[in-house]
Amino acid sequence: GEDVEQSLFLSVREGDSSVINCTYTDSSSTYLYWYKQEPGAGLQLLTYIFSNMDMKQDQRLTVLLNKKDKHLSLRIADTQTGDSAIYFCAESYGSGNTGKLIFGQGTTLQVKP
Amino acid sequence: EPEVTQTPSHQVTQMGQEVILRCVPISNHLYFYWYRQILGQKVEFLVSFYNNEISEKSEIFDDQFSVERPDGSNFTLKIRSTKLEDSAMYFCASSERLSTDTQYFGPGTRLTVL
Repeated sequence: GEDVEQSLFLSVREGDSSVINCTYTDSSSTYLYWYKQEPGAGLQLLTYIFSNMDMKQDQRLTVLLNKKDKHLSLRIADTQTGDSAIYFCAESYGSGNTGKLIFGQGTTLQVKP
Repeated sequence: EPEVTQTPSHQVTQMGQEVILRCVPISNHLYFYWYRQILGQKVEFLVSFYNNEISEKSEIFDDQFSVERPDGSNFTLKIRSTKLEDSAMYFCASSERLSTDTQYFGPGTRLTVL
């Protein structure tokens, strides 16, 4: 069945780069997403990548997709304390195009000053 | 910037009671979704809705759950007889055109069943 896996925790120093990794199982995924969740808040769409792309850059964020290995990563350059949050990887699942998203368990990013 | 809104932000109910969670999707969006997140667990898909009918539902979405778009703006999730294990954060989402378009999430309703 479908599954998305992430490491649970990452700690970095302010100013360093953060890399959050994700693996997924559904090779028919159309889009892959990164969402950010701050404490007590909802899911904020950060960025996404279409499955026929290898890389997408958006300001401090770089998404890399290795479709062969079904591996997705999110790199945050110059990480700030405001980046501390839970980051969820998600894939759009299935060829039926009903839009169902499958989420990973989330990676808690801790940024130390 | 348009956003998805949800009310209430927190709902406390007694086991066995009915609850209705409300969402106002982004106005030109056509696809609507409900997800839930039990504390400390993954965000789970519940149901997708398009053209006034359910497109897909998960095994969680049993007969106790129903969705409705009663007018042109609201999208509701009803739980008929709540159970303790229904306690979770419930997120509504919407997307514009195709079901594979980006989904925008609301802030969530925290449901606590006592």
